[in-house]
Amino acid sequence: ETGVTQSPTHLIKTRGQQVTLRCSSQSGHNTVSWYQQALGQGPQFIFQYYREEENGRGNFPPRFSGLQFPNYSSELNVNALELDDSALYLCASSSADEKLFFGSGTQLSVL
Amino acid sequence: TQLLEQSPQFLSIQEGENLTVYCNSSSVFSSLQWYRQEPGEGPVLLVTVVTGGEVKKLKRLTFQFGDARKDSSLHITAAQPGDTGLYLCAGVTYGNKLVFGAGTILRVKS
Repeated sequence: ETGVTQSPTHLIKTRGQQVTLRCSSQSGHNTVSWYQQALGQGPQFIFQYYREEENGRGNFPPRFSGLQFPNYSSELNVNALELDDSALYLCASSSADEKLFFGSGTQLSVL
Repeated sequence: TQLLEQSPQFLSIQEGENLTVYCNSSSVFSSLQWYRQEPGEGPVLLVTVVTGGEVKKLKRLTFQFGDARKDSSLHITAAQPGDTGLYLCAGVTYGNKLVFGAGTILRVKS
């Protein structure tokens, strides 16, 4: 139990739709990072939020966007879903440069 | 682009056997981490290695960081079914952002 909770756990969408994934960070953590893990691959960095500001972004298109709230919880939004967006989306929280604690992820299927 | 390559991709062994998983990079990272991930769960940090040549032990797991800080290995002694899972290495970049390898799926049969 890492204290990082993600919702929903599973989601099925169709191409072209939009999706919002949510993450509650561990108490005391002010940094949230999002990763995409395709089947059979390691997680890929999407972006990171620190104190409500984007603090680095990986090689993902602008239709992947995020938000961090004053309580440090976070959302990942994906517009115009594509089949290749099907993956496990992981949220990780941390404090400064301390170690990352991952949630159990949201499994997104795009049909 | 910083890349991490892991080998082997898949390993199936009998309980009690030893095994080694390798992680190689074309770049130098400030530190390297090893994670274990079980189905339906997020990765869980096992260890962080920082210094070239460093060796860390965690019960039956031994982690090494290469002298040039571009490669690492994970050795498991007397593997048990509970060791089954996906093992991921990750290079740590600026701002604690991770670059992951593709992982090694380990299956230990009893």
